[in-house]
Amino acid sequence: SQWGEENLQALSIQEGEDVTMNCSYKTYTTVVQWYRQKSGKGPALIILIRSNEREKRSGRLRATLDTSSQSSSLSITGTLATDTAVYFCVASSGSWQLIFGSGTQLTVMP
Amino acid sequence: DTTVKQNPRYKLARVGKPVNLICSQTMNHDTMYWYQKKPNQAPKLLLFYYDKILNREADTFEKFQSSRPNNSFCSLYIGSAGLEYSAMYLCASSRRREQYFGPGTRLTVL
Repeated sequence: SQWGEENLQALSIQEGEDVTMNCSYKTYTTVVQWYRQKSGKGPALIILIRSNEREKRSGRLRATLDTSSQSSSLSITGTLATDTAVYFCVASSGSWQLIFGSGTQLTVMP
Repeated sequence: DTTVKQNPRYKLARVGKPVNLICSQTMNHDTMYWYQKKPNQAPKLLLFYYDKILNREADTFEKFQSSRPNNSFCSLYIGSAGLEYSAMYLCASSRRREQYFGPGTRLTVL
């Protein structure tokens, strides 16, 4: 799992497999966002889950949020080689400040 | 158009010399941010502008300057670069919670 100053986590899987990435946060959070950063590009938002939601789906993505344990997960089903990227879990309590996790480097091998 | 542009994409600087990085967005976002990202670490917020108001993080207060001459542009200025400034610098803009990131400027200080 990722958070704060921890080193980048790394996962390597085969195309078609499912994967789940976890993160935990320490501050009061109303929204958890998951960003994906592909090589040579900036991070881009892929899914957002609010504190009153336990689960959110978007295509092959599924995010969960457990406010009691202050943790979130991102699952990708049927991974593709194009899912290879760094995935950041981002917590926010205000409208402008994001707190990034250290990220998970996901490599999906064709 | 949801593009955030950054110039230059790569910057080589000598120790002790100034560095100026540029960011632009045409989404009329009221908030613009600068992050520093080092390998295997989370992006670190350096400062952000909400409209014309500059907010700088306490631990980077004296190291980075910024200006926002209009809504579309924001610069990041380093008065005297040190080796520790070598990193990727990400600019982002937002109106609400989602931040749109540029591709980043890779700064190498020699």
